Amino acid sequence: RKEVEQDPGPFNVPEGATVAFNCTYSNSASQSFFWYRQDCRKEPKLLMSVYSSGNEDGRFTAQLNRASQYISLLIRDSKLSDSATYLCAVTMTTDSWGKFQFGAGTQVVVTP
Amino acid sequence: DARVTQTPRHKVTEMGQEVTMRCQPILGHNTVFWYRQTMMQGLELLAYFRNRAPLDDSGMPKDRFSAEMPDATLATLKIQPSEPRDSAVYFCASGLLAGGAIYEQYFGPGTRLTVT
Repeated sequence: RKEVEQDPGPFNVPEGATVAFNCTYSNSASQSFFWYRQDCRKEPKLLMSVYSSGNEDGRFTAQLNRASQYISLLIRDSKLSDSATYLCAVTMTTDSWGKFQFGAGTQVVVTP
Repeated sequence: DARVTQTPRHKVTEMGQEVTMRCQPILGHNTVFWYRQTMMQGLELLAYFRNRAPLDDSGMPKDRFSAEMPDATLATLKIQPSEPRDSAVYFCASGLLAGGAIYEQYFGPGTRLTVT
């Protein structure tokens, strides 16, 4: 089993709709959590960190569920420009502290 | 706007040739990562450094890959000899880890390597 897993999608979303997807992690010692966005043939770009209490940045909301070991990302009022692959990243509290484990990504396609 | 820079952005080479990729991390960041991304494997961690010391290079094929940080402003990834299966996008990323605080990691634009 992979340490970080994501539904690859694609999630096809009408413009203006809401989409949400999860990322599960297997190591309960995971410490920090992030969402990255990657456009085709570009580098991953940090979208937001995920805090224990959950956090919101404009139309994006990230949540952490430690009991069930997953993080989620919700996009409200989807824009065409939100079409991308969303990668989750997790860091561990082991002697590899600070090492990021990335999921394979969830593809989101926003359609007119 | 601080950014991670990488050179070259594109490299086409023949099998057996040496390839060197360079990365300049964001000033002040103490951790540098090298990743490889392919359609099949996704994003794989090859190696990473903290304060220029290698912490983990278990993701790298040791016989042909080497990674170094000659100084705080330069990280290099070398492949010698290169093989067609090394064709991928190689990303460098840097971040700051301090006092157990959560830190974030920023990626460079990548080097797209094609080995023929």
